[in-house]
Amino acid sequence: KNEVEQSPQNLTAQEGEFITINCSYSVGISALHWLQQHPGGGIVSLFMLSSGKKKHGRLIATINIQEKHSSLHITASHPRDSAVYICAVGMNYGGSQGNLIFGKGTKLSVKP
Amino acid sequence: GAGVSQSPSNKVTEKGKDVELRCDPISGHTALYWYRQSLGQGLEFLIYFQGNSAPDKSGLPSDRFSAERTGGSVSTLTIQRTQQEDSAVYLCASSLGQGFTDTQYFGPGTRLTVL
Repeated sequence: KNEVEQSPQNLTAQEGEFITINCSYSVGISALHWLQQHPGGGIVSLFMLSSGKKKHGRLIATINIQEKHSSLHITASHPRDSAVYICAVGMNYGGSQGNLIFGKGTKLSVKP
Repeated sequence: GAGVSQSPSNKVTEKGKDVELRCDPISGHTALYWYRQSLGQGLEFLIYFQGNSAPDKSGLPSDRFSAERTGGSVSTLTIQRTQQEDSAVYLCASSLGQGFTDTQYFGPGTRLTVL
């Protein structure tokens, strides 16, 4: 079983729709990251959170530490949001502070 | 305000050859990470440098892989005796602070193809 599970694997939406991408993890963590990988391959960090909720523009990320679950929401989706969204966690095991564990990503396609 | 840069952007090599991949982190960033993304696979942690501390090499897949970070800045990832399964995009990232509690800034990657 992967330590970080994302769902769905693929998502197609119409422009304007509200998008939710889910991430579940099975270990204690210190932080969770949401990353965006554009079709050209570049990766951008969207959020880093360890509790609660963060918002940036049309993007909202939430995390529930007790349930070991995080969601990434996109409001009023646009074709330029089409990308792979990756969840990554830093495990809380007292070892390395650099070892992120990645989910396999959710490929989002927003149609005009 | 340059971001993280990597070179070369593409590298094609023959099986058995050694390759060196370079990463220039953002100036002032103390932490540097190497990741690998194989075709159809997720990102995989390779190695992490933090300041002058000993690097975390726990993600390196074999002893053919090694990395150095000179002067706390530029890093080189070396793969010796390359194998076809080493074909992947190798990504470098840096962060201002330490570890996974800080935002990481990614380079564009080096696409390695081993024939």
